[in-house]
Amino acid sequence: GEDVEQSLFLSVREGDSSVINCTYTDSSSTYLYWYKQEPGAGLQLLTYIFSNMDMKQDQRLTVLLNKKDKHLSLRIADTQTGDSAIYFCAERGDGNQFYFGTGTSLTVIP
Amino acid sequence: ETGVTQTPRHLVMGMTNKKSLKCEQHLGHNAMYWYKQSAKKPLELMFVYSLEERVENNSVPSRFSPECPNSSHLFLHLHTLQPEDSALYLCASSQEGQGNEKLFFGSGTQLSVL
Repeated sequence: GEDVEQSLFLSVREGDSSVINCTYTDSSSTYLYWYKQEPGAGLQLLTYIFSNMDMKQDQRLTVLLNKKDKHLSLRIADTQTGDSAIYFCAERGDGNQFYFGTGTSLTVIP
Repeated sequence: ETGVTQTPRHLVMGMTNKKSLKCEQHLGHNAMYWYKQSAKKPLELMFVYSLEERVENNSVPSRFSPECPNSSHLFLHLHTLQPEDSALYLCASSQEGQGNEKLFFGSGTQLSVL
């Protein structure tokens, strides 16, 4: 299967920006996704980007895609305590399979 | 509420027990999935059903047996599990054939095998 890699942990202070990074291996991926998992819940789609785009902005969220380096990032502006969660990067490969990373656990310090 | 409901939320079972996990989706989707979530590991795709036909079985041990009786329901039958099978089991659904397909997840069943 494809590899999707993320760091496991990130801590930021409330009000700062958070940047969560992801690398992937499947260059044919057409869409890349960010999912959020709050404690005791399943994964919820946060945002996605089409592979022919470099950037997508959605309120406090900015997704950057560097297709050459196969690098995806999620920036959360003005991070709040409610943003504390696990964030998963995912790519959609062949055969309708979605490949996920380990998730990055974001802790927001008040 | 994502439209995907899993029961039970928590399950504790011994290695000799037989139990089943249930998933129901109310979104009218045509594909359903089982994922395994273990700490510090990538989310692991176990099974995929598309139009009620199994299309993916990622080398999952036979002690896990999926069943998809219709497009809205998915089961995972468990028997003679091992302690290392303890994990969060997530069900998801999607609508295939739309290009930008998105997965919708249930809240999961936290399984502990003693």
